[in-house]
Amino acid sequence: DAGVIQSPRHEVTEMGQEVTLRCKPISGHDYLFWYRQTMMRGLELLIYFNNNVPIDDSGMPEDRFSAKMPNASFSTLKIQPSEPRDSAVYFCASSFSGGLYSNQPQHFGDGTRLSIL
Amino acid sequence: GESVGLHLPTLSVQEGDNSIINCAYSNSASDYFIWYKQESGKGPQFIIDIRSNMDKRQGQRVTVLLNKTVKHLSLQIAATQPGDSAVYFCAENVRGYSTLTFGKGTMLLVSP
Repeated sequence: DAGVIQSPRHEVTEMGQEVTLRCKPISGHDYLFWYRQTMMRGLELLIYFNNNVPIDDSGMPEDRFSAKMPNASFSTLKIQPSEPRDSAVYFCASSFSGGLYSNQPQHFGDGTRLSIL
Repeated sequence: GESVGLHLPTLSVQEGDNSIINCAYSNSASDYFIWYKQESGKGPQFIIDIRSNMDKRQGQRVTVLLNKTVKHLSLQIAATQPGDSAVYFCAENVRGYSTLTFGKGTMLLVSP
């Protein structure tokens, strides 16, 4: 079975440039999460969607960050303009709700390693 | 200058030993717990989960124990192999909420 697919796997760009990260969740999953992982802060939740609707974006660091989910099989995380401190590994994860009181695990992609020079 | 990062606790074991990785959680309302394994260059991979109505759950070579009284979770890996070397995270979830709270992680190093 196909897992969560992220692209690109690596991105190196100069500060000030726009960066777009992409994610295809597991088919049938109705939740999608964007995380950032750094040595300093560990794994941080940035934003999550339910049925393509953003539910909580309180983890998005600044207005330079935006995320969209135009349909159930695709989401993007955009940084514009990018800064060196945005360098991190960005993960996308998806899960199936299984009903309000039936917890289900999140399944992660292999991430995008972003380096802003 | 010198960068300061997360200092992960590390468990070093010999191949064939049993490993126990511990996790303390703080939210007494948490009722669902997951262990993830993260290998270098990869995303966290689901290993096993447990709900709060259970004390123990077994998988293939792995066992998760939950002690709700002291808010403690452990992952036991039997006959540890070099391929088990990774960072292991526990995560907790409160019923009715969609998000997970992750622990800081423990690095497991298995030497042949």
